Amino acid sequence: NAGVTQTPKFQVLKTGQSMTLQCAQDMNHEYMSWYRQDPGMGLRLIHYSVGAGITDQGEVPNGYNVSRSTTEDFPLRLLSAAPSQTSVYFCASSYSNNSPLHFGNGTRLTVT
Amino acid sequence: AQKITQTQPGMFVQEKEAVTLDCTYDTSDPSYGLFWYKQPSSGEMIFLIYQGSYDQQNATEGRYSLNFQKARKSANLVISASQLGDSAMYFCAMSVIQGAQKLVFGQGTRLTINP
Repeated sequence: NAGVTQTPKFQVLKTGQSMTLQCAQDMNHEYMSWYRQDPGMGLRLIHYSVGAGITDQGEVPNGYNVSRSTTEDFPLRLLSAAPSQTSVYFCASSYSNNSPLHFGNGTRLTVT
Repeated sequence: AQKITQTQPGMFVQEKEAVTLDCTYDTSDPSYGLFWYKQPSSGEMIFLIYQGSYDQQNATEGRYSLNFQKARKSANLVISASQLGDSAMYFCAMSVIQGAQKLVFGQGTRLTINP
């Protein structure tokens, strides 16, 4: 039972580089989302999706793109990495909008 | 807009004691859900308990219970008979129950259980 799988677990980027954080879930959940966790600030929503082909912005979307071509996958793209994007990124999925989020194990990203 | 406030940055409790972690929330929407998550030092987010705004009874899950006081807009987590393994960060979160699920998290409380 894999649940929500995020790759990579760790990543170091130089300012200006681009990359994609991968997220896949095998629970057939319609709802998927990306959060970032910074020290002392809890988790903040970046982007979310309510189903394949439907995405929308969360609280802190600038500098990130998402797409949802399948129910299973919800990649997060950093277009031009900045030091302010140094954070821990969590992907999550849920069955409905009042059911618990299932989180991946996180990606620790450092931008130098 | 929704807001979650956790006023206790850190708490220290003796093993086997009960502990209450505070959470207050703010929303104008009548239909919402409240969640508690645990984040141990290994970093994963673990769901603990859920309370819907229309639920008549306080939620319980094993040693965890949620003290839901709607008029005060509080949703405190109570851990009974604390264990060393309960040492972790605890986050309160809220989602409005319509449309997409967009959780708003508090800043968290770091709980340390002393032997």
